[in-house]
Amino acid sequence: EPEVTQTPSHQVTQMGQEVILRCVPISNHLYFYWYRQILGQKVEFLVSFYNNEISEKSEIFDDQFSVERPDGSNFTLKIRSTKLEDSAMYFCASSTGTAEAFFGQGTRLTVV
Amino acid sequence: AQSVTQPDIHITVSEGASLELRCNYSYGATPYLFWYVQSPGQGLQLLLKYFSGDTLVQGIKGFEAEFKRSQSSFNLRKPSVHWSDAAEYFCAVGPLNRDDKIIFGKGTRLHILP
Repeated sequence: EPEVTQTPSHQVTQMGQEVILRCVPISNHLYFYWYRQILGQKVEFLVSFYNNEISEKSEIFDDQFSVERPDGSNFTLKIRSTKLEDSAMYFCASSTGTAEAFFGQGTRLTVV
Repeated sequence: AQSVTQPDIHITVSEGASLELRCNYSYGATPYLFWYVQSPGQGLQLLLKYFSGDTLVQGIKGFEAEFKRSQSSFNLRKPSVHWSDAAEYFCAVGPLNRDDKIIFGKGTRLHILP
């Protein structure tokens, strides 16, 4: 069964460093998403991406965040100058646009 | 504004007992509805979904959910819980439009007593 793959599963970075979280969506999907879950809290929408541009972004998705689809298979989330409060589980998701989104297993980001 | 409410932050039930987790939503129209489960430190697993048709939907692991339009609810049920059901459960809604997003509730943590 096709699945969304995220790498790495866990990343530790120092405050102020840049990190790139990687996702390989399901191959025939056209809509891509990033969500964030701070430990013990709800899953929050960050950004959606379609046709090589951002469709929608939340207030969380400020200038330190960016997304890119550098090739035909990867979808990345870049966080510039990480802060302690960026520590969270980050989920990538993809869909065909017919409602159901498939989620990856997440990348746990720890900023120290 | 679109929102999902899960009124119970924690629920504790005994193994073998029945379970009902509540979910209410606020949306412009009848959205697509989902329940996800998350074990500690793990990702999100889709339990079941409702798009249209029969308002009682069956999911994996013996779970079912009933959509009630009049109450804007989509409660999750299981007739007899197992210790392995201990996890966080998220109700989610959307999207109606192709470029819309899924919105999650805050989650309900299920504890199982032996």
